[in-house]
Amino acid sequence: EAGVAQSPRYKIIEKRQSVAFWCNPISGHATLYWYQQILGQGPKLLIQFQNNGVVDDSQLPKDRFSAERLKGVDSTLKIQPAKLEDSAVYLCASSRNIAGGSYNEQFFGPGTRLTVL
Amino acid sequence: DQQVKQNSPSLSVQEGRISILNCDYTNSMFDYFLWYKKYPAEGPTFLISISSIKDKNEDGRFTVFLNKSAKHLSLHIVPSQPGDSAVYFCAASPQTGANNLFFGTGTRLTVIP
Repeated sequence: EAGVAQSPRYKIIEKRQSVAFWCNPISGHATLYWYQQILGQGPKLLIQFQNNGVVDDSQLPKDRFSAERLKGVDSTLKIQPAKLEDSAVYLCASSRNIAGGSYNEQFFGPGTRLTVL
Repeated sequence: DQQVKQNSPSLSVQEGRISILNCDYTNSMFDYFLWYKKYPAEGPTFLISISSIKDKNEDGRFTVFLNKSAKHLSLHIVPSQPGDSAVYFCAASPQTGANNLFFGTGTRLTVIP
């Protein structure tokens, strides 16, 4: 079974530029997550999709960050304009359908390391 | 507001000895707890979990203990091996059914051959 795919693996941009990250979850996984991991911290959830609908985006800085999962499969996270403090690793994860009340394991991709200069 | 805390940024252990990694949480709504392991340039990988209805879960060399009254959990690795050297993240999930995870800041474990 192929894992969660992310691209690019590394990105360097200057502040105020825009950037986009792509994620392809494990086949059949209905739930997709984007996390931000700043150096020295644990991953922090930015947004969670169930199929193509948003379950939780309470931690997403909506003035500059946006995400979509139009067909309920792959997803794109965009930052526009980027700030210095956006430098982090952006992790995508997926899990099976969260309905049913039981916890479903999240599988993580390798992440995209963003450096904002 | 850090709801899951790992107060030890690093830990060094001799090969063959026990490694004990600790984690504290503040939110009483958390009912499922997990440990993830992360190697450089890779995403976190699931290691072991425990439900709040249990106080211990064991999987091979890895055991997780949960003390709900103290809001504390720990991961024991016995015996420790050099391949266990990685960053270990504690994570917790609330009862809402949304499946989202709250992570600690991680502990870097170094197992010395």
